[in-house]
Amino acid sequence: AQSVAQPEDQVNVAEGNPLTVKCTYSVSGNPYLFWYVQYPNRGLQFLLKYITGDNLVKGSYGFEAEFNKSQTSFHLKKPSALVSDSALYFCAVRDIGNKFYFGSGTKLNVKP
Amino acid sequence: ETGVTQSPTHLIKTRGQQVTLRCSSQSGHNTVSWYQQALGQGPQFIFQYYREEENGRGNFPPRFSGLQFPNYSSELNVNALELDDSALYLCASSLDRGSYEQYFGPGTRLTVT
Repeated sequence: AQSVAQPEDQVNVAEGNPLTVKCTYSVSGNPYLFWYVQYPNRGLQFLLKYITGDNLVKGSYGFEAEFNKSQTSFHLKKPSALVSDSALYFCAVRDIGNKFYFGSGTKLNVKP
Repeated sequence: ETGVTQSPTHLIKTRGQQVTLRCSSQSGHNTVSWYQQALGQGPQFIFQYYREEENGRGNFPPRFSGLQFPNYSSELNVNALELDDSALYLCASSLDRGSYEQYFGPGTRLTVT
């Protein structure tokens, strides 16, 4: 069955430290992978995507993600976290049948 | 903010009623997707419309139906409302089907009593 897993409900990190938000997926065929962020009282915003090519993808606000086919993972990373990065992050995958699957979300807390 | 708008913002309906939610896609986008987001969960894919045709459907019953109009705006219709239909309904548009990222509207909060 197709699915996306975000194993951590919450990630806590100090400002200035690197952050990682984990995502693994299960989908038929080559996946299209996405990260979205949801700030309080605001809609989902696109951060970055992986379609093909370089396994390291760079996106908005200094975020990047690494596609690992063997581990079926697409972890979101940032070298130096900001307090303003605190939000809810969703990983998503599109399968070959043009269906989209979102993870349950990871709340990122960046403490000053 | 994206150029995707949704109406109404909030809606309260009674079990068994029918509801229509509306979405205007971002200018130049021909693809619209609808999602249901229950409290504390990720969005669940309902279906996608591309150039007025359904282009993919999630695991939702037939009482969830949709339309896309020639201007690429869209409607989500839900018949025979159930209490579990209470959720935030999100519309997202994209430049085209396929690998393009989606731009989400603010959502319609539906409460079924």
